[in-house]
Amino acid sequence: GNSVTQMEGPVTLSEEAFLTINCTYTATGYPSLFWYVQYPGEGLQLLLKATKADDKGSNKGFEATYRKETTSFHLEKGSVQVSDSAVYFCALTTGGSNYKLTFGKGTLLTVNP
Amino acid sequence: EAGVTQFPSHSVIEKGQTVTLRCDPISGHDNLYWYRRVMGKEIKFLLHFVKESKQDESGMPNNRFLAERTGGTYSTLKVQPAELEDSGVYFCASSRPTGTVDGYTFGSGTRLTVV
Repeated sequence: GNSVTQMEGPVTLSEEAFLTINCTYTATGYPSLFWYVQYPGEGLQLLLKATKADDKGSNKGFEATYRKETTSFHLEKGSVQVSDSAVYFCALTTGGSNYKLTFGKGTLLTVNP
Repeated sequence: EAGVTQFPSHSVIEKGQTVTLRCDPISGHDNLYWYRRVMGKEIKFLLHFVKESKQDESGMPNNRFLAERTGGTYSTLKVQPAELEDSGVYFCASSRPTGTVDGYTFGSGTRLTVV
């Protein structure tokens, strides 16, 4: 079956620090990969995605590259802001069930001024 | 457009009681999904409606959970009787007829605590 393993949190950083949240996956079939973010009091929002190997998804200064050889999709940002404080979820879908997401456990990020 | 709305935002009930969660999708979104995040664990898929029909309920944990979507508009998820392990955050999402995750809009969730 499908599964996603992501770095356990919480992660606490100072503003302008570099962020990496690791995500690896196992999947039956060729997955599409996603990062979702949940800001306090809000719903999950799609942050970025990649649908094939070596694709790089990017949004709001965040990036993640689909690495098929290492089955990874690590999230990075060069300089975090206080407003990036949120819970981040790595997720995937596979072809036959492209409406159904498999999520990781989530990583709580807190950025201090 | 208005987003996906979930009621209530929080609910605390005693073990053995019944709770009904509600989700109002975005108007025109035929697809509606329920997910659940138990504390410290992954968000897991529960089920998928297309209009009023259940397309996939493979994630429903047991027969204490009943989901309905009368008329293809809002949906309810009833837990009866509630157990301690049902505590968690229940998310609803909706999407247009194409139904892929790219078009998902999630609600902010209902936090259920069973004591």
